[in-house]
Amino acid sequence: GNSVTQMEGPVTLSEEAFLTINCTYTATGYPSLFWYVQYPGEGLQLLLKATKADDKGSNKGFEATYRKETTSFHLEKGSVQVSDSAVYFCALSDSGGGADGLTFGKGTHLIIQP
Amino acid sequence: GAVVSQHPSWVICKSGTSVKIECRSLDFQATTMFWYRQFPKQSLMLMATSNEGSKATYEQGVEKDKFLINHASLTLSTLTVTSAHPEDSSFYICSAREGPWQETQYFGPGTRLLVL
Repeated sequence: GNSVTQMEGPVTLSEEAFLTINCTYTATGYPSLFWYVQYPGEGLQLLLKATKADDKGSNKGFEATYRKETTSFHLEKGSVQVSDSAVYFCALSDSGGGADGLTFGKGTHLIIQP
Repeated sequence: GAVVSQHPSWVICKSGTSVKIECRSLDFQATTMFWYRQFPKQSLMLMATSNEGSKATYEQGVEKDKFLINHASLTLSTLTVTSAHPEDSSFYICSAREGPWQETQYFGPGTRLLVL
């Protein structure tokens, strides 16, 4: 079956630090990969996505590259801000067009200190 | 745009009672809605997929008679937890997407259920 493994937090960084949140996956087909973010008290929001190998998704300074050879989709940001504090979820959709629901990782709680 | 709401945001009920949770797409028509369940420090687990006007498709291990899903309109899906027990206490989250081949799901803020 499908699964997503991501580093567990909390991850605590200082403002302007470099961020990496690791995510690896197992899938039977050719999945699309997603990063969702959940700010306190809010629903999950799509942060970025990639639909095929070597694609790079990017948004709000965050980037992730779909690496089929390592089955990974690590999230990176060069300089984090306090406002980036949230829970980040890696997820996959294992059918073209997202016909099925998403398989999520456990989430990584990111805390950015000023 | 693309806002999904859930009601109530939290609910406490007695064991044996039924609880209904609503999921609404506020500014778009959702042909498909998904219901997830999240335990503390765990992943979101897909419970079921509902398409407007048809029966929901449940994931393996999810009791369809316990978790009744109705998707009667393009903007509303409901999840009813029937004869709730303490082990049903959890965080329930819905999501919606506009069309069958749209990958992006828009999530509601979730409903926390506590069964006493």
